[in-house]
Amino acid sequence: NAGVTQTPKFQVLKTGQSMTLQCAQDMNHNSMYWYRQDPGMGLRLIYYSASEGTTDKGEVPNGYNVSRLNKREFSLRLESAAPSQTSVYFCARGDGPYGYTFGSGTRLTVV
Amino acid sequence: GENVEQHPSTLSVQEGDSAVIKCTYSDSASNYFPWYKQELGKRPQLIIDIRSNVGEKKDQRIAVTLNKTAKHFSLHITETQPEDSAVYFCAAVGAGGSYIPTFGRGTSLIVHP
Repeated sequence: NAGVTQTPKFQVLKTGQSMTLQCAQDMNHNSMYWYRQDPGMGLRLIYYSASEGTTDKGEVPNGYNVSRLNKREFSLRLESAAPSQTSVYFCARGDGPYGYTFGSGTRLTVV
Repeated sequence: GENVEQHPSTLSVQEGDSAVIKCTYSDSASNYFPWYKQELGKRPQLIIDIRSNVGEKKDQRIAVTLNKTAKHFSLHITETQPEDSAVYFCAAVGAGGSYIPTFGRGTSLIVHP
């Protein structure tokens, strides 16, 4: 029951390097989200996409960009990684007006 | 925007005891309140939710209560078992159109055998 597939699962970057986190859903739901999870901070919204072709900033967008390539795919890009971006990143799909399915996460370390 | 406070941050209980986790929210327009369980190294998964037109909902050993007037809701787990050990997140979702959940900071529940 993949639901939402994220790649890669683990990544180590050097400060200043760039990378793109990939996310794909197996349905054609409109809403997709990117969260970061840090110890004691819960899940904080980075960006979201309410429908294909639209994206909006969340609570912590600085240092990130997103692309809603099509209805199934929503990618997150770090243009110049910083140690403060060390985190676990979750992509999620909105299941109707309420309900969300999360991907399995990407554990990113920036050294 | 919405603000969700969750307490306690850590909760340690003996197997068989009950556990209660409490959340408060700030936006009176929020009308959907899900709870997620996240086991170590896994994704958050929905365990129970409640809509604002309901005061209480139960599913076996888990129940959620909602007090709209006071803007707080709680998760109750009875007869806890070691497999209940996880981080639990509450969330509040408004009806503003984007249906974006605002999460609490999480409660680490430890159930000692």
